[in-house]
Amino acid sequence: DQQVKQNSPSLSVQEGRISILNCDYTNSMFDYFLWYKKYPAEGPTFLISISSIKDKNEDGRFTVFLNKSAKHLSLHIVPSQPGDSAVYFCAATTLGDMRFGAGTRLTVKP
Amino acid sequence: DSGVTQTPKHLITATGQRVTLRCSPRSGDLSVYWYQQSLDQGLQFLIQYYNGEERAKGNILERFSAQQFPDLHSELNLSSLELGDSALYFCASSVAGGGNTEAFFGQGTRLTVV
Repeated sequence: DQQVKQNSPSLSVQEGRISILNCDYTNSMFDYFLWYKKYPAEGPTFLISISSIKDKNEDGRFTVFLNKSAKHLSLHIVPSQPGDSAVYFCAATTLGDMRFGAGTRLTVKP
Repeated sequence: DSGVTQTPKHLITATGQRVTLRCSPRSGDLSVYWYQQSLDQGLQFLIQYYNGEERAKGNILERFSAQQFPDLHSELNLSSLELGDSALYFCASSVAGGGNTEAFFGQGTRLTVV
């Protein structure tokens, strides 16, 4: 069962522009949401998170937005840089059960 | 370096065999998660342990089992291996067993079943 969905397998943006990665979830019990970045042959690395009591969290160029009523979260990267090219996974967790989406491959073109 | 250590990095074995993957969590982390990533697929949650006890279970096959030992390292046992079990297996650890905390991932074990 896909409780966390990333419907866009890939996204390509120009350097300096905004990248928006989207994620939807179905389980209303999820109370904490995370974004991970993954390079080939490496484990995922934690990027940014947000608690269900908030609707926005910002860390430098990265901002995560949460819309609980729509069960939707998004990651904004501004400005995008070529080094941001990677696979991005969103994750949602409740009571330790952490589920991941299928990932979105972001390519930032110089 | 996330502080999570997985061994071995690579494993090649034949169908029908049994293998054990090992994970040492970050110092101080009580939770260990196991995930499977098949070719270009997402991360499939297998199982979570917290302080030695099973906390959450995902899509783990009956041929697979895991445990967390008193020193908090964890092992994932895969038996009666099939070609389709070839995948990257990731371990992650976190401080808490509940939510509101990020998990840190190891580099993974690449299992190839031939």
